[in-house]
Amino acid sequence: DQQVKQNSPSLSVQEGRISILNCDYTNSMFDYFLWYKKYPAEGPTFLISISSIKDKNEDGRFTVFLNKSAKHLSLHIVPSQPGDSAVYFCAASAQGGSEKLVFGKGTKLTVNP
Amino acid sequence: GAGVSQTPSNKVTEKGKYVELRCDPISGHTALYWYRQSLGQGPEFLIYFQGTGAADDSGLPNDRFFAVRPEGSVSTLKIQRTERGDSAVYLCASSLIRGEQFFGPGTRLTVL
Repeated sequence: DQQVKQNSPSLSVQEGRISILNCDYTNSMFDYFLWYKKYPAEGPTFLISISSIKDKNEDGRFTVFLNKSAKHLSLHIVPSQPGDSAVYFCAASAQGGSEKLVFGKGTKLTVNP
Repeated sequence: GAGVSQTPSNKVTEKGKYVELRCDPISGHTALYWYRQSLGQGPEFLIYFQGTGAADDSGLPNDRFFAVRPEGSVSTLKIQRTERGDSAVYLCASSLIRGEQFFGPGTRLTVL
């Protein structure tokens, strides 16, 4: 049973526009959320994270929004650039224990010039 | 500037053989994780080390899989009697405090 879901396998946007990637989770014990970017033949690279005590975190062109009541988070990239084309993974962890990451299946973002 | 390194980058083996995959974490990182990523899926947790001890091995699929971290730094994931279903990319990550885990490039294992 998927605890972290990314329902859009792919997304295509024009350069300069906003990219919005969505993620839903089911486990109410999750209290820390992360986005990773992955290029082919490389390991995932950390992008941005958010704690459950916040509803927004911003880092340059990247903003993550968390809606705890809906168990939903989103990653906004503004403006999108061709170099942002990659697979984006949403991940979540619960405090205590191993704090292992539970990943979604990923969304492949393509930014067209 | 040392990130997480993994060797080999690719490993092709025959069904039934034994393989070892190595992970060199970022120096000083006490937490080390192994994940497995199959085609079209996100990484899935296998095992977590805090220092030398395996603090959580709940993700290991069966007793053919084993991992060690004898000196609290380098870790080796060992797979006995490999099966075709073990084919995947095996990722290692390390972290110092709770927060982002830093991933290596992975080892692509192919079992023929």
